[in-house]
Amino acid sequence: DAKTTQPNSMESNEEEPVHLPCNHSTISGTDYIHWYRQLPSQGPEYVIHGLTSNVNNRMASLAIAEDRKSSTLILHRATLRDAAVYYCILRDPYTGGGNKLTFGTGTQLKVEL
Amino acid sequence: DSGVTQTPKHLITATGQRVTLRCSPRSGDLSVYWYQQSLDQGLQFLIQYYNGEERAKGNILERFSAQQFPDLHSELNLSSLELGDSALYFCASSGSGANTGELFFGEGSRLTVL
Repeated sequence: DAKTTQPNSMESNEEEPVHLPCNHSTISGTDYIHWYRQLPSQGPEYVIHGLTSNVNNRMASLAIAEDRKSSTLILHRATLRDAAVYYCILRDPYTGGGNKLTFGTGTQLKVEL
Repeated sequence: DSGVTQTPKHLITATGQRVTLRCSPRSGDLSVYWYQQSLDQGLQFLIQYYNGEERAKGNILERFSAQQFPDLHSELNLSSLELGDSALYFCASSGSGANTGELFFGEGSRLTVL
């Protein structure tokens, strides 16, 4: 699986937007970009995924660079409940090895009042 | 609630012992994945089963084994336990549809080896 690079930690204030960056310069044409988050003492939780176009869902937005070498997860209004480790993961569904996800170290997001 | 159930939630045992962790996937999901999360290693993929068959293998030790039963629940067996096996063990499941890559994780089983 291609590698991703994320900042170790970021801080935000409540009610403000948060932009979590991810670099993936070796992304292949068939790699999907997935974001998961892990709240304290819980299992990882799916946030969003995309291939080429920007994506929106009820939790977040995913902005993908035109060359696909980077992406940004956008939380429009951070709340204290969004404090978690956010993982950016690349996955090629067309290679062998099932559907597994390879987690990196992620970005620890701290949200303050 | 992800729909994935793991038992037990907590387990304390001694070195050299053997334990079994159980996972019930979401209703209808055919794939089950096991992950280990320790403080110094992060989330490590161990193994995946699809409809009873092993599909992918990661960094799973020979002392560990898993299986998926006809009713699709899965068990992870850890034997000859060592202190370093203390970790959170997560199970995840996914459906048989398109490769969306969305995994649903349980709340984990925390294993402490003393």
